[in-house]
Amino acid sequence: GAGVSQSPRYKVAKRGQDVALRCDPISGHVSLFWYQQALGQGPEFLTYFQNEAQLDKSGLPSDRFFAERPEGSVSTLKIQRTQQEDSAVYLCASRSNPPLTETRTPYGYTFGSGTRLTVV
Amino acid sequence: AQKITQTQPGMFVQEKEAVTLDCTYDTSDPSYGLFWYKQPSSGEMIFLIYQGSYDQQNATEGRYSLNFQKARKSANLVISASQLGDSAMYFCAMRGLIQGAQKLVFGQGTRLTINP
Repeated sequence: GAGVSQSPRYKVAKRGQDVALRCDPISGHVSLFWYQQALGQGPEFLTYFQNEAQLDKSGLPSDRFFAERPEGSVSTLKIQRTQQEDSAVYLCASRSNPPLTETRTPYGYTFGSGTRLTVV
Repeated sequence: AQKITQTQPGMFVQEKEAVTLDCTYDTSDPSYGLFWYKQPSSGEMIFLIYQGSYDQQNATEGRYSLNFQKARKSANLVISASQLGDSAMYFCAMRGLIQGAQKLVFGQGTRLTINP
């Protein structure tokens, strides 16, 4: 597609419920990132995929958070037993395969519009 | 580890004036990239401008310019001739280039309000 698509746009979950957030990156983009953005804060890194391999999951806040990208395209972020502190906007970004030589062009990261999760 | 600090929670500027949004950073990477993003109320992150640590000249993109002072570890965004549509959250971010780190590290953001 033309951009990074995230669904649902909004999600309200009862505390303890499991949720699944979907990210459809730009076609052909190798790298995919998930970020968590609390209200009034900057995005915080959660996890990173290169194709189907999850190369960095250092930002996942607990073992209730799980992400996958089984075929190297669409990714799903799953949160089990949601808690109120999980309420945030979850942003997905994708990026094309970088060139071997860094140039002024940052082969930029394209972000989706996010999923706003509210846990009640 | 990398860290971005944006010390201005909010800025108020009259339309058509220039505005500078502050950003300082800290990193142990010898080579890195600095980014500025705009986030309007709709939520999407819009890329504005990029500066590589090895770039000799400050980056410019239309009304946006980046005042890069490497020795001071600052990368301030300058918006000239501000417009009402510039009202949004602005985030400074960085990425290390040598150690293979892919993730962007963001600051806390500055909310810019342009007054008519």
